[in-house]
Amino acid sequence: DVKVTQSSRYLVKRTGEKVFLECVQDMDHENMFWYRQDPGLGLRLIYFSYDVKMKEKGDIPEGYSVSREKKERFSLILESASTNQTSMYLCASSTAMRGFTEAFFGQGTRLTVV
Amino acid sequence: AQRVTQPEKLLSVFKGAPVELKCNYSYSGSPELFWYVQYSRQRLQLLLRHISRESIKGFTADLNKGETSFHLKKPFAQEEDSAMYYCALNNQGGKLIFGQGTELSVKP
Repeated sequence: DVKVTQSSRYLVKRTGEKVFLECVQDMDHENMFWYRQDPGLGLRLIYFSYDVKMKEKGDIPEGYSVSREKKERFSLILESASTNQTSMYLCASSTAMRGFTEAFFGQGTRLTVV
Repeated sequence: AQRVTQPEKLLSVFKGAPVELKCNYSYSGSPELFWYVQYSRQRLQLLLRHISRESIKGFTADLNKGETSFHLKKPFAQEEDSAMYYCALNNQGGKLIFGQGTELSVKP
């Protein structure tokens, strides 16, 4: 059974804290993604990584950074959390083989910044 | 710019009625298009992809390059179809872009 696992289901953090969201996949996928999911806005891509140590900004990278030191792990970092970053965060992975690019999603992390 | 647009936030139908969830895309190359579904309290998962031209759970979607559309259709909706549906585009670089989502509610 393929798996994308996010380290936390729920997180509550204070404004200004540095926050780490971790994601691990066991499918040897090249591509990994971080999205925000907000009602009425859908899934917005924050960052995309197509290989170890490689990253590309998505549509809303401001206030976020990422780290991919190993193929299976992709971390999202909120350098200084703010209340407008309260959201559901989804991690996903996919293979780079065109035509087989089904994305597999984690269960999501609901982050509340107070 | 690459963009996926789902014009309806909410679609409400009665059981047995036909369903069409609209999706339009903007992409200059040859896109890969998908429909993903999220049932209540479950992970987002792939429903179908245009390249396989298959029917999944009675749903079909046809890519219309002239109209840049990839609408999702089902002739007879079931209550278990109630979910959030997202249209998505995969560009040639592997980046996956989603639309705003449409919530489908099928009433008994």
